[in-house]
Amino acid sequence: KQEVTQIPAALSVPEGENLVLNCSFTDSAIYNLQWFRQDPGKGLTSLLLIQSSQREQTSGRLNASLDKSSGRSTLYIAASQPGDSATYLCAVAHPQQAGTALIFGKGTTLSVSS
Amino acid sequence: DAGVIQSPRHEVTEMGQEVTLRCKPISGHDYLFWYRQTMMRGLELLIYFNNNVPIDDSGMPEDRFSAKMPNASFSTLKIQPSEPRDSAVYFCASSPPGQGTDTQYFGPGTRLTVL
Repeated sequence: KQEVTQIPAALSVPEGENLVLNCSFTDSAIYNLQWFRQDPGKGLTSLLLIQSSQREQTSGRLNASLDKSSGRSTLYIAASQPGDSATYLCAVAHPQQAGTALIFGKGTTLSVSS
Repeated sequence: DAGVIQSPRHEVTEMGQEVTLRCKPISGHDYLFWYRQTMMRGLELLIYFNNNVPIDDSGMPEDRFSAKMPNASFSTLKIQPSEPRDSAVYFCASSPPGQGTDTQYFGPGTRLTVL
């Protein structure tokens, strides 16, 4: 059974710091991996999608890497800002008996102080 | 362009009552997903539909839970009877044709509290 783990569960940093969020998964048979952002009381917003054949994706100050063989992904946030404060979730698209499904980690809650 | 619409946003009910959560996906999307989020278990897929047909309901926890999609613009998730352990945030998401599970647009969620 595919399991997704995110470490740390919570992280507090001062504004301007570069930081890395970690995601690991137990089964390397994935189609892709996504990083989402969730603000309090809101739904999820997709930040980056990495296909299984890709190694990384970049969007602005965000860079996500994927090492499928080791079952790991990282989300790098450069020059963090208070507006980056949110919960970040990692999800893998994993083949299921009846199709594919997104399996989510529990998230890392990031707090950036000014 | 309206996003995924969920109603109600908050629901408080008593144990044993029937609860119905509603979702309107983005127009033109052909996949619809129902998720449940709790502190203990995180975000879990309950069921998903493709072209109004349930594809995978293996995540539905018990027979007390049922979901329907009578047409392309509406879906319901019903809990009958509700129990305190059903308290969670329930999200609906939809995906455009050809995207499958790759690109999901999430609604704001319904926060359910069962007393």
